[in-house]
Amino acid sequence: NAGVTQTPKFQVLKTGQSMTLQCAQDMNHNSMYWYRQDPGMGLRLIYYSASEGTTDKGEVPNGYNVSRLNKREFSLRLESAAPSQTSVYFCASSELLNWDTRAGGYTFGSGTRLTVV
Amino acid sequence: QKEVEQNSGPLSVPEGAIASLNCTYSDRGSQSFFWYRQYSGKSPELIMFIYSNGDKEDGRFTAQLNKASQYVSLLIRDSQPSDSATYLCAVHTTNFGNEKLTFGTGTRLTIIP
Repeated sequence: NAGVTQTPKFQVLKTGQSMTLQCAQDMNHNSMYWYRQDPGMGLRLIYYSASEGTTDKGEVPNGYNVSRLNKREFSLRLESAAPSQTSVYFCASSELLNWDTRAGGYTFGSGTRLTVV
Repeated sequence: QKEVEQNSGPLSVPEGAIASLNCTYSDRGSQSFFWYRQYSGKSPELIMFIYSNGDKEDGRFTAQLNKASQYVSLLIRDSQPSDSATYLCAVHTTNFGNEKLTFGTGTRLTIIP
């Protein structure tokens, strides 16, 4: 029962370098999300994918791109890293809220701590 | 006005006492409300959700919702040192089938032995 798996857990980049953060879920969820978390700022949505084949911008999409490779995988790419992108990145997945059982809520991966120097 | 507001704390509560965490939200169309607990260096984990006005109890935790006042709270009874964490309030809305979960900045809770 892995849930949501993120790789890598830690990464240091130099300004201008590129990298892709990987995320995979095994819960058969339709929706997947990328958040960043900074001190005093809470969790901010970067991009989300409501279903396979669709992606949409969140609150802070500049400097990022995403790919919903299939139902399980949702990757986040930094094309040219900047120090302002130093943060902890969380991937999450969810199923549409079940109004019968009222079950819902997001499951988060363990996070990627990214430092851009 | 922020969409979801929480007092950042820190909130210090003696062990065994009741911890009360509060959250207000701005979107009257919000449908469900979640409380996440986040230990330092870890990912958020869901502890409760509520969608109807009133109280919902789960063990030592009680979530309270007042949609008219746009207010949701979390009570932790018999607080334990293991409850020391940051508590994130999250508000869920659905727009044309797309879900959105907006988080507050969190309240840091410290339980004093």
